Amino acid sequence: DAGVIQSPRHEVTEMGQEVTLRCKPISGHDYLFWYRQTMMRGLELLIYFNNNVPIDDSGMPEDRFSAKMPNASFSTLKIQPSEPRDSAVYFCASSLGVRNEQFFGPGTRLTVL
Amino acid sequence: GENVEQHPSTLSVQEGDSAVIKCTYSDSASNYFPWYKQELGKRPQLIIDIRSNVGEKKDQRIAVTLNKTAKHFSLHITETQPEDSAVYFCAAIQGNAGKSTFGDGTTLTVKP
Repeated sequence: DAGVIQSPRHEVTEMGQEVTLRCKPISGHDYLFWYRQTMMRGLELLIYFNNNVPIDDSGMPEDRFSAKMPNASFSTLKIQPSEPRDSAVYFCASSLGVRNEQFFGPGTRLTVL
Repeated sequence: GENVEQHPSTLSVQEGDSAVIKCTYSDSASNYFPWYKQELGKRPQLIIDIRSNVGEKKDQRIAVTLNKTAKHFSLHITETQPEDSAVYFCAAIQGNAGKSTFGDGTTLTVKP
């Protein structure tokens, strides 16, 4: 298996633009997590899904953030409109069951100018 | 919600010495405690984990201990090597809900 795949790896955009981050989890995994990592706030859980259903989105910072998982092999995290404070590395992770290892993707480094 | 505190935030040791990182959690519903290692510019990767029905687990130079009563768990690395230098994160997972809460990380530096 290729592991968790994220795209793009780097994204530079201007304030106010829409940003869409993509994730393909490991085949067969039933949990998918979206995290944001910054120096100031560390690794924050934004939202997670079980069998494509959002379970907890309490970590989503604002209504500007939204996430979907239309099927078991694809998820998106959208920021609209983007702001400079959204600049961070966004990781997607997947696991088989909730009490098992989460496999992280390579991350998307987002810079909002 | 869950709150995970991790100490110390930075740790510097001499090669061959031991390193200990400690975490406390607040929610007794948490029942799975993984440790991740993140090298600079890379993704976090699991190095060891422990479930709430176990008090200690060891894998070569790495061990984790869990005290459910006190709600704390620790990572122990023996015979440290320069390649152990990285940021280490603890996490607490609520087994039924699945919610993950990570500590703030410990930057470990192993000096040759």
